[in-house]
Amino acid sequence: GDSVTQMEGPVTLSEEAFLTINCTYTATGYPSLFWYVQYPGEGLQLLLKATKADDKGSNKGFEATYRKETTSFHLEKGSVQVSDSAVYFCALRGIQGAQKLVFGQGTRLTINP
Amino acid sequence: DAMVIQNPRYQVTQFGKPVTLSCSQTLNHNVMYWYQQKSSQAPKLLFHYYDKDFNNEADTPDNFQSRRPNTSFCFLDIRSPGLGDAAMYLCATSSKAGGHYNEQFFGPGTRLTVL
Repeated sequence: GDSVTQMEGPVTLSEEAFLTINCTYTATGYPSLFWYVQYPGEGLQLLLKATKADDKGSNKGFEATYRKETTSFHLEKGSVQVSDSAVYFCALRGIQGAQKLVFGQGTRLTINP
Repeated sequence: DAMVIQNPRYQVTQFGKPVTLSCSQTLNHNVMYWYQQKSSQAPKLLFHYYDKDFNNEADTPDNFQSRRPNTSFCFLDIRSPGLGDAAMYLCATSSKAGGHYNEQFFGPGTRLTVL
């Protein structure tokens, strides 16, 4: 079945550092790909998405590019802030079970001032 | 603001005592989902409703039931909670049109503790 593998955390960085959180997936066809963010005590918020190969999703300085050839959707940000501290989930919505999001394990990110 | 609301935010129940979690939405979405998220794990879909049509995931235990009395509300019933059911329960909604499911919007979750 469909699956998502995410970089294990926790990840700790200093403010203004460059961030990469790796995400790879296994799915048939061309799934839609998502990054969700979960702040402490809150639900999941959609951060960005891409629905076809080579699409780049971007939001709040975060970017991720849908790479079909490497089945990847890595999250990047050029300069992180303390307010970016949260848990980040990579997810896919497959073409078969189109109603279901399949999530990776999540990566806890802590940014120190 | 249109939103997904979950009540209560924190729920404590006793082993074996039935408990109901509530979700409401003001988005007028026709699809509502319940996910279970155990500590430090990924959210896992339990079931979803498309309008009044109930769709259970194959590996969702029978202990978990759901009701959707109208478009706005959806309930998660745990008939006999076990210690292993302690988790965050996330409600989400989306719209479906022309066979296509759109973005899911999540509520803040209800954290369930089983004593």
